[in-house]
Amino acid sequence: DGGITQSPKYLFRKEGQNVTLSCEQNLNHDAMYWYRQDPGQGLRLIYYSQIVNDFQKGDIAEGYSVSREKKESFPLTVTSAQKNPTAFYLCASSILPGLAGLSLYNEQFFGPGTRLTVL
Amino acid sequence: AQTVTQSQPEMSVQEAETVTLSCTYDTSESDYYLFWYKQPPSRQMILVIRQEAYKQQNATENRFSVNFQKAAKSFSLKISDSQLGDAAMYFCAYRSPLYGGSQGNLIFGKGTKLSVKP
Repeated sequence: DGGITQSPKYLFRKEGQNVTLSCEQNLNHDAMYWYRQDPGQGLRLIYYSQIVNDFQKGDIAEGYSVSREKKESFPLTVTSAQKNPTAFYLCASSILPGLAGLSLYNEQFFGPGTRLTVL
Repeated sequence: AQTVTQSQPEMSVQEAETVTLSCTYDTSESDYYLFWYKQPPSRQMILVIRQEAYKQQNATENRFSVNFQKAAKSFSLKISDSQLGDAAMYFCAYRSPLYGGSQGNLIFGKGTKLSVKP
């Protein structure tokens, strides 16, 4: 089955540690995204990537870093510089915007999420 | 910048009844895309329905339909014959046209928590 996987489901971090959240997709999507979700908030975009070896900052990129070495993978590192990292993190993917003949809606498909807690 | 507002933090509906969730947005663009996503307790985000601004006809997907009022910048979701499995957070989302500078990113509202009473 095609889909998006995120691991781990739950992650605990000590103060001052960097942690990496995994996101893998086998949908052959070019674009991938990372969102942060806090209680009472919508989803806020952290980083996105539309092609291998290229990515762009979203609205709340400070304290986070990403890489895109393979089309299928878009790991997110939460660094010690992120002051309040406890949150639910969602990864998503979509077809590359604007591809002729494909859906113009460019809807995003989401993974099951990772709950990160700072101890 | 575009914004999406969901004014109802929580809603409740009786099983088999109909409920409408509201969503308004602010934009100066004439073409765009709107979405409703559902997030059940499992927290998996699921696309419910989508609408392109240039299409006059309101989108429908089985028991889910939208009332898209472009002039009023309103995009409400109607759930008919509500079922217990409809209980979830519902998020409204906006996407700019792909030729803009936003690269097609989604802008989400803060969500409405829907409870379904048996």
